[in-house]
Amino acid sequence: AQSVTQLGSHVSVSEGALVLLRCNYSSSVPPYLFWYVQYPNQGLQLLLKYTTGATLVKGINGFEAEFKKSETSFHLTKPSAHMSDAAEYFCAVSDYNQGGKLIFGQGTELSVKP
Amino acid sequence: KAGVTQTPRYLIKTRGQQVTLSCSPISGHRSVSWYQQTPGQGLQFLFEYFSETQRNKGNFPGRFSGRQFSNSRSEMNVSTLELGDSALYLCASQSDPGSTDTQYFGPGTRLTVL
Repeated sequence: AQSVTQLGSHVSVSEGALVLLRCNYSSSVPPYLFWYVQYPNQGLQLLLKYTTGATLVKGINGFEAEFKKSETSFHLTKPSAHMSDAAEYFCAVSDYNQGGKLIFGQGTELSVKP
Repeated sequence: KAGVTQTPRYLIKTRGQQVTLSCSPISGHRSVSWYQQTPGQGLQFLFEYFSETQRNKGNFPGRFSGRQFSNSRSEMNVSTLELGDSALYLCASQSDPGSTDTQYFGPGTRLTVL
Protein backbone atom coordinates (compact mmCIF):
# COMPACT_ATOMS: atom_id res chain seq x y z
CA ALA A 1 0.00 0.00 0.00
CA GLN A 2 1.12 3.50 -0.69
CA SER A 3 1.74 6.00 2.09
CA VAL A 4 3.23 9.43 2.63
CA THR A 5 5.00 10.83 5.68
CA GLN A 6 5.63 14.52 6.11
CA LEU A 7 8.19 15.29 8.79
CA GLY A 8 7.12 18.23 10.91
CA SER A 9 3.54 19.39 11.21
CA HIS A 10 4.71 22.97 11.71
CA VAL A 11 7.74 24.69 10.20
CA SER A 12 8.67 28.29 10.90
CA VAL A 13 11.21 30.28 8.88
CA SER A 14 12.23 33.91 8.62
CA GLU A 15 11.47 35.90 5.51
CA GLY A 16 14.32 35.39 3.06
CA ALA A 17 15.44 32.10 4.60
CA LEU A 18 15.50 28.70 2.93
CA VAL A 19 12.28 26.70 3.01
CA LEU A 20 12.64 22.92 3.33
CA LEU A 21 9.57 20.73 3.75
CA ARG A 22 10.23 17.02 4.00
CA CYS A 23 8.26 14.22 2.40
CA ASN A 24 8.95 10.48 2.33
CA TYR A 25 6.78 8.02 0.49
CA SER A 26 6.18 4.31 0.28
CA SER A 27 5.12 2.72 -2.99
CA SER A 28 5.58 -0.70 -4.55
CA VAL A 29 5.37 0.70 -8.07
CA PRO A 30 6.93 3.77 -9.69
CA PRO A 31 5.13 6.64 -8.03
CA TYR A 32 3.67 9.86 -9.21
CA LEU A 33 4.50 12.51 -6.58
CA PHE A 34 2.87 15.85 -5.94
CA TRP A 35 3.09 18.89 -3.72
CA TYR A 36 -0.05 20.92 -3.15
CA VAL A 37 -0.54 24.16 -1.20
CA GLN A 38 -3.69 25.18 0.65
CA TYR A 39 -4.41 28.71 1.77
CA PRO A 40 -7.04 29.31 4.48
CA ASN A 41 -10.60 28.57 3.35
CA GLN A 42 -9.47 27.50 -0.09
CA GLY A 43 -8.98 24.30 -2.03
CA LEU A 44 -5.67 22.75 -3.01
CA GLN A 45 -3.39 24.25 -5.63
CA LEU A 46 -0.74 22.17 -7.37
CA LEU A 47 2.81 23.45 -6.81
CA LEU A 48 4.64 20.78 -8.78
CA LYS A 49 4.58 17.11 -9.72
CA TYR A 50 6.93 14.31 -10.65
CA THR A 51 5.76 11.60 -13.01
CA THR A 52 8.74 10.45 -15.06
CA GLY A 53 11.93 11.93 -16.44
CA ALA A 54 14.03 14.61 -14.76
CA THR A 55 14.17 14.08 -11.02
CA LEU A 56 14.52 17.78 -10.18
CA VAL A 57 11.13 19.35 -10.70
CA LYS A 58 10.47 23.07 -10.77
CA GLY A 59 7.09 24.42 -9.84
CA ILE A 60 5.25 27.65 -9.36
CA ASN A 61 6.21 30.49 -7.01
CA GLY A 62 9.89 29.50 -6.98
CA PHE A 63 9.40 26.07 -5.41
CA GLU A 64 11.21 22.94 -6.53
CA ALA A 65 11.51 19.33 -5.39
CA GLU A 66 13.85 16.47 -6.10
CA PHE A 67 12.73 12.86 -6.47
CA LYS A 68 15.28 10.57 -4.79
CA LYS A 69 14.33 6.97 -5.36
CA SER A 70 17.11 5.57 -3.14
CA GLU A 71 15.85 7.67 -0.22
CA THR A 72 12.15 7.41 -1.14
CA SER A 73 11.99 11.16 -0.66
CA PHE A 74 10.46 14.13 -2.44
CA HIS A 75 11.42 17.16 -0.35
CA LEU A 76 10.13 20.62 -1.26
CA THR A 77 12.48 23.61 -1.22
CA LYS A 78 12.46 27.31 -1.93
CA PRO A 79 15.66 29.38 -1.66
CA SER A 80 14.06 32.47 -0.13
CA ALA A 81 10.80 32.51 1.81
CA HIS A 82 8.22 35.22 1.28
CA MET A 83 5.44 36.21 3.63
CA SER A 84 2.92 35.05 1.04
CA ASP A 85 4.29 31.48 1.29
CA ALA A 86 2.60 31.03 4.67
CA ALA A 87 0.11 28.21 4.10
CA GLU A 88 -0.33 24.47 4.55
CA TYR A 89 1.58 22.17 2.25
CA PHE A 90 0.63 18.63 1.34
CA CYS A 91 2.73 15.93 -0.28
CA ALA A 92 0.81 13.24 -2.16
CA VAL A 93 1.51 10.00 -4.01
CA SER A 94 -0.34 8.13 -6.70
CA ASP A 95 0.41 5.72 -9.53
CA TYR A 96 -0.99 4.86 -12.91
CA ASN A 97 -3.11 2.02 -11.57
CA GLN A 98 -4.77 4.23 -8.98
CA GLY A 99 -6.10 6.75 -11.47
CA GLY A 100 -7.23 9.88 -9.68
CA LYS A 101 -6.70 8.52 -6.17
CA LEU A 102 -4.16 10.56 -4.24
CA ILE A 103 -2.73 9.49 -0.90
CA PHE A 104 -1.85 12.59 1.10
CA GLY A 105 0.54 13.22 3.94
CA GLN A 106 -0.72 14.91 7.09
CA GLY A 107 0.40 18.32 5.91
CA THR A 108 2.99 20.84 7.07
CA GLU A 109 1.95 24.31 8.14
CA LEU A 110 4.54 26.85 7.08
CA SER A 111 4.85 30.10 9.02
CA VAL A 112 7.02 32.96 7.74
CA LYS A 113 8.29 35.49 10.26
CA PRO A 114 9.10 39.06 9.17
CA LYS B 1 -11.36 28.01 -18.72
CA ALA B 2 -13.48 28.03 -15.62
CA GLY B 3 -12.12 26.04 -12.70
CA VAL B 4 -13.75 23.33 -10.67
CA THR B 5 -16.89 24.61 -8.99
CA GLN B 6 -18.55 23.20 -5.91
CA THR B 7 -21.95 24.03 -4.51
CA PRO B 8 -22.93 24.94 -1.95
CA ARG B 9 -19.84 26.39 -0.29
CA TYR B 10 -21.24 26.08 3.21
CA LEU B 11 -23.85 23.80 4.74
CA ILE B 12 -25.21 23.31 8.22
CA LYS B 13 -27.17 20.16 8.94
CA THR B 14 -28.31 18.25 12.01
CA ARG B 15 -27.57 14.66 12.95
CA GLY B 16 -29.66 12.13 11.08
CA GLN B 17 -30.29 14.34 8.05
CA GLN B 18 -28.90 13.65 4.62
CA VAL B 19 -26.97 16.00 2.34
CA THR B 20 -26.05 16.25 -1.34
CA LEU B 21 -22.98 18.10 -2.57
CA SER B 22 -22.36 19.03 -6.18
CA CYS B 23 -19.19 19.34 -8.26
CA SER B 24 -18.77 20.66 -11.80
CA PRO B 25 -15.40 19.71 -13.30
CA ILE B 26 -13.30 21.74 -15.67
CA SER B 27 -14.71 21.60 -19.18
CA GLY B 28 -13.37 18.54 -20.99
CA HIS B 29 -12.36 16.71 -17.82
CA ARG B 30 -14.01 13.32 -17.48
CA SER B 31 -12.66 12.13 -14.12
CA VAL B 32 -13.93 13.46 -10.79
CA SER B 33 -12.58 12.50 -7.37
CA TRP B 34 -13.89 13.39 -3.91
CA TYR B 35 -11.92 13.89 -0.71
CA GLN B 36 -12.83 14.55 2.91
CA GLN B 37 -10.59 16.88 4.91
CA THR B 38 -10.73 16.98 8.72
CA PRO B 39 -8.22 18.25 11.30
CA GLY B 40 -7.85 14.79 12.81
CA GLN B 41 -7.74 12.53 9.76
CA GLY B 42 -6.36 14.94 7.18
CA LEU B 43 -7.21 14.44 3.52
CA GLN B 44 -8.85 11.13 2.76
CA PHE B 45 -9.97 9.78 -0.61
CA LEU B 46 -13.68 9.04 -0.86
CA PHE B 47 -14.24 7.88 -4.45
CA GLU B 48 -13.49 8.53 -8.10
CA TYR B 49 -15.86 8.57 -11.04
CA PHE B 50 -15.12 8.29 -14.73
CA SER B 51 -17.66 7.97 -17.54
CA GLU B 52 -20.49 7.72 -14.99
CA THR B 53 -18.85 4.71 -13.30
CA GLN B 54 -17.25 4.53 -9.89
CA ARG B 55 -13.70 3.57 -10.61
CA ASN B 56 -12.19 3.63 -7.16
CA LYS B 57 -13.47 3.84 -3.59
CA GLY B 58 -11.88 4.72 -0.26
CA ASN B 59 -12.57 3.27 3.17
CA PHE B 60 -15.78 5.04 4.07
CA PRO B 61 -19.10 3.56 5.21
CA GLY B 62 -21.95 3.00 2.81
CA ARG B 63 -23.62 6.20 4.04
CA PHE B 64 -21.27 7.97 1.64
CA SER B 65 -22.24 7.57 -1.98
CA GLY B 66 -21.80 9.40 -5.23
CA ARG B 67 -22.65 9.47 -8.86
CA GLN B 68 -21.56 11.08 -12.09
CA PHE B 69 -23.74 12.36 -14.87
CA SER B 70 -23.20 12.20 -18.61
CA ASN B 71 -21.86 15.78 -18.62
CA SER B 72 -19.22 14.69 -16.06
CA ARG B 73 -20.80 16.67 -13.22
CA SER B 74 -20.75 14.71 -10.00
CA GLU B 75 -22.70 14.63 -6.77
CA MET B 76 -21.94 13.00 -3.47
CA ASN B 77 -24.51 12.12 -0.86
CA VAL B 78 -24.13 11.47 2.82
CA SER B 79 -27.10 9.89 4.57
CA THR B 80 -27.86 9.73 8.28
CA LEU B 81 -25.35 12.41 9.13
CA GLU B 82 -23.12 12.03 12.18
CA LEU B 83 -21.20 14.71 14.06
CA GLY B 84 -17.97 13.22 12.72
CA ASP B 85 -19.03 13.96 9.15
CA SER B 86 -18.30 17.64 9.75
CA ALA B 87 -15.51 18.36 7.30
CA LEU B 88 -14.38 20.18 4.19
CA TYR B 89 -15.36 18.10 1.16
CA LEU B 90 -13.13 18.67 -1.84
CA CYS B 91 -13.75 17.70 -5.41
CA ALA B 92 -10.98 17.34 -7.99
CA SER B 93 -11.16 16.91 -11.73
CA GLN B 94 -8.71 15.42 -14.19
CA SER B 95 -8.80 14.88 -17.92
CA ASP B 96 -8.48 11.11 -17.66
CA PRO B 97 -7.79 8.80 -14.73
CA GLY B 98 -4.31 7.43 -14.50
CA SER B 99 -2.93 10.12 -16.74
CA THR B 100 -0.11 12.41 -15.76
CA ASP B 101 -2.35 15.41 -16.26
CA THR B 102 -2.84 17.61 -13.26
CA GLN B 103 -5.73 17.11 -10.88
CA TYR B 104 -7.45 20.42 -10.18
CA PHE B 105 -9.28 20.99 -6.93
CA GLY B 106 -12.36 23.04 -6.24
CA PRO B 107 -12.74 25.38 -3.24
CA GLY B 108 -14.64 22.77 -1.26
CA THR B 109 -17.94 22.54 0.59
CA ARG B 110 -17.71 23.13 4.33
CA LEU B 111 -20.25 20.83 6.04
CA THR B 112 -21.09 21.36 9.68
CA VAL B 113 -23.22 18.75 11.44
CA LEU B 114 -24.89 19.86 14.67
